[in-house]
Amino acid sequence: ETGVTQSPTHLIKTRGQQVTLRCSSQSGHNTVSWYQQALGQGPQFIFQYYREEENGRGNFPPRFSGLQFPNYSSELNVNALELDDSALYLCASSMTGAREKLFFGSGTQLSVL
Amino acid sequence: TQLLEQSPQFLSIQEGENLTVYCNSSSVFSSLQWYRQEPGEGPVLLVTVVTGGEVKKLKRLTFQFGDARKDSSLHITAAQPGDTGLYLCAGGGGANNLFFGTGTRLTVIP
Repeated sequence: ETGVTQSPTHLIKTRGQQVTLRCSSQSGHNTVSWYQQALGQGPQFIFQYYREEENGRGNFPPRFSGLQFPNYSSELNVNALELDDSALYLCASSMTGAREKLFFGSGTQLSVL
Repeated sequence: TQLLEQSPQFLSIQEGENLTVYCNSSSVFSSLQWYRQEPGEGPVLLVTVVTGGEVKKLKRLTFQFGDARKDSSLHITAAQPGDTGLYLCAGGGGANNLFFGTGTRLTVIP
């Protein structure tokens, strides 16, 4: 148990819809990172949030957006879903600057039909 | 783009055998990490190596960071079914993120 919780665990959407995924970080952690893991691949960095601001972004289009709340929890929003967005979405929490000490949640499995 | 390639991609061995998994890159990393991921779970950090040539041991697992800090290896001695999982290496990126390797899926057969 890492103390990082994600919801929902599974989600099925259709192409063109919008989705919101949620993450509660481990107690004491102020930074949240989101990763996308396609089937058979390693996780790919989407973006990171620190103090409610985006603090780094990977190679993902603007339809991937996020929020961080004062309690350090976070949301990942994806608009205009595409079939290729089907993946496991992982949230990881850490302390400031401690990217080497990421604690991952169990992920949300998103299927886009 | 910093790429981490892992080999082999798949590995199936009998309980008790030894194995080595490799993580290679053309880029230099300040540190490399190894994670294990089980089905339906997120990756769990096993170890972080920081110094070129560094060797770390975690019970039956031995991790080594290459002298040039571009590659790493994970050696498992006397593998057990509980070692089954996806092994991922990861190195620091420029945007406060980690670059993950392609992964090695290990199956240990009882």
